[in-house]
Amino acid sequence: GENVEQHPSTLSVQEGDSAVIKCTYSDSASNYFPWYKQELGKRPQLIIDIRSNVGEKKDQRIAVTLNKTAKHFSLHITETQPEDSAVYFCAPLGLGWDKIIFGKGTRLHILP
Amino acid sequence: DSGVTQTPKHLITATGQRVTLRCSPRSGDLSVYWYQQSLDQGLQFLIQYYNGEERAKGNILERFSAQQFPDLHSELNLSSLELGDSALYFCASSVGTSADTQYFGPGTRLTVL
Repeated sequence: GENVEQHPSTLSVQEGDSAVIKCTYSDSASNYFPWYKQELGKRPQLIIDIRSNVGEKKDQRIAVTLNKTAKHFSLHITETQPEDSAVYFCAPLGLGWDKIIFGKGTRLHILP
Repeated sequence: DSGVTQTPKHLITATGQRVTLRCSPRSGDLSVYWYQQSLDQGLQFLIQYYNGEERAKGNILERFSAQQFPDLHSELNLSSLELGDSALYFCASSVGTSADTQYFGPGTRLTVL
């Protein structure tokens, strides 16, 4: 929660290569770290999440890693495919939160 | 399909008017969240309701209000509309009070002319 930043804002990768998007946050009480994917004109969809008692979680080609000390977590997409083209948002949450803050999003382009 | 429904899909209106957006959460979900997404912008959290009560408030303008009814559907009322209110409005739902594991509806696209 609080201040949330995503980097990069835009990312272009060749099909088949890997993509990494980083989310940094300021609220040390954050304990839930999700990534949402939003395709053009569609709703945001939760694609992977991690909680603060776990350092890494993997689901097929996507993974999320968490570094609580440094207050950042990252989305990793391997063997990228055209359907991975979308905007990705992070939205860390913590106990006692009173507002939800989404990162500004990362637009991922998969190049043929 | 997330199980969250929103109506209408599109809405075109004029400045100064008032509109109501409707959201039905997934079966069993007690929380409803409203978000605004302007062109090329991220998601701005507006407000959350849990089991009929306001739970958390974000950057919601005073011209906007919301409520959640006993059947758990929610309405977002936007009044004295301005050109800058043109945006996609999403609602999302979750089981409990916490905003983890939210499921988003398809959104309502509001155009203010």
